[in-house]
Amino acid sequence: DTGVSQDPRHKITKRGQNVTFRCDPISEHNRLYWYRQTLGQGPEFLTYFQNEAQLEKSRLLSDRFSAERPKGSFSTLEIQRTEQGDSAMYLCASSPGRGFQETQYFGPGTRLLVL
Amino acid sequence: GNSVTQMEGPVTLSEEAFLTINCTYTATGYPSLFWYVQYPGEGLQLLLKATKADDKGSNKGFEATYRKETTSFHLEKGSVQVSDSAVYFCALSAGGGATNKLIFGTGTLLAVQP
Repeated sequence: DTGVSQDPRHKITKRGQNVTFRCDPISEHNRLYWYRQTLGQGPEFLTYFQNEAQLEKSRLLSDRFSAERPKGSFSTLEIQRTEQGDSAMYLCASSPGRGFQETQYFGPGTRLLVL
Repeated sequence: GNSVTQMEGPVTLSEEAFLTINCTYTATGYPSLFWYVQYPGEGLQLLLKATKADDKGSNKGFEATYRKETTSFHLEKGSVQVSDSAVYFCALSAGGGATNKLIFGTGTLLAVQP
């Protein structure tokens, strides 16, 4: 069990550019979550996958954001036409998918800075 | 809607002092409650959890009891160490068939001085 991994760990981009982040969940975890954490705040839910199906998206996830989880394994989060307000830590978490209110295991996060 | 409120920090304590970080919640149904910890430069780690009223979660000397009557889940430790310095997040996961997303408080920074 190698834990949840995320790539890259840091990303600096210019406003208007597109960025893509990757998350590899713990092996055999069916559920995958994306959260966003801004400085001094707790993480906020963005979206949730059960296997390959995206079952919920937060209002925070504007049309510029898209997430995928092909084949129910790794997931990608893409932000198009980045804005300075997108600067944040993007966290991925996974859980086994065997019950409700399970413990979620978090990756180290991708820190995005939009200049 | 569901929400979590936790005491603002920073909390500064001397080593071996008693720690309390207050957390209260608002939720429909029967949520599970969690404390996560974020050490400097690291990701979120589960510290402890409780899934029903009167349950006590415990780990590494930390404890928290799920109090439905006061909608609280306060974190306590009898004797803190310098290595406990971190940001602590209280969170809930709503029940009733929801997606199990976590709703977090804003976090409390704990600084323990030798």
